[in-house]
Amino acid sequence: GAVVSQHPSRVICKSGTSVKIECRSLDFQATTMFWYRQFPKQSLMLMATSNEGSKATYEQGVEKDKFLINHASLTLSTLTVTSAHPEDSSFYICSARDPQLAGLKETQYFGPGTRLLVL
Amino acid sequence: GESVGLHLPTLSVQEGDNSIINCAYSNSASDYFIWYKQESGKGPQFIIDIRSNMDKRQGQRVTVLLNKTVKHLSLQIAATQPGDSAVYFCAENRGFQKLVFGTGTRLLVSP
Repeated sequence: GAVVSQHPSRVICKSGTSVKIECRSLDFQATTMFWYRQFPKQSLMLMATSNEGSKATYEQGVEKDKFLINHASLTLSTLTVTSAHPEDSSFYICSARDPQLAGLKETQYFGPGTRLLVL
Repeated sequence: GESVGLHLPTLSVQEGDNSIINCAYSNSASDYFIWYKQESGKGPQFIIDIRSNMDKRQGQRVTVLLNKTVKHLSLQIAATQPGDSAVYFCAENRGFQKLVFGTGTRLLVSP
């Protein structure tokens, strides 16, 4: 159980275009999902918290107009990188908590990540 | 400004040895800690967790030790195997479900 998927796993785009990354919880409903960014040989940095049915909460320094997050259902959150530039090239990872385990286990289950390369 | 890539600290061990990976955390209010394993090109995988009211927790081949006095966390892997080679991150729960990840340690296991 507790499987999180991401699509696509890898994407290459031209500078100035927008890219959408999907994060799905496959066997549980996630009211909250998280988006992280990871540059090579660095740690995961939380970008934003995605809340189903409401606006995402962004971490300091993350541009909400550049990284659009939509959490339209209990199993799907999307991250759209708008007007992508080469410096946005990174490994984007989502995670989700299983609310049925809340209070018992606070583990976040991570997706496999999406590698974005902006040319 | 210019970004500088970090070099992950690396722990090299022989197969069969015990490995100890250390992590320092900064927030004394953190009440929950998790160790994750990340293989190249993949998302983090849960290994073991511990709450702040405990100082030790054991799993299969893994043990986590928590020293709240010095804000230190360690992961011990018994009888390390080549398949354990990966980057290991500790993460602390800062509240509101937010996880803050440590810098990571690369474990290299030689056959």
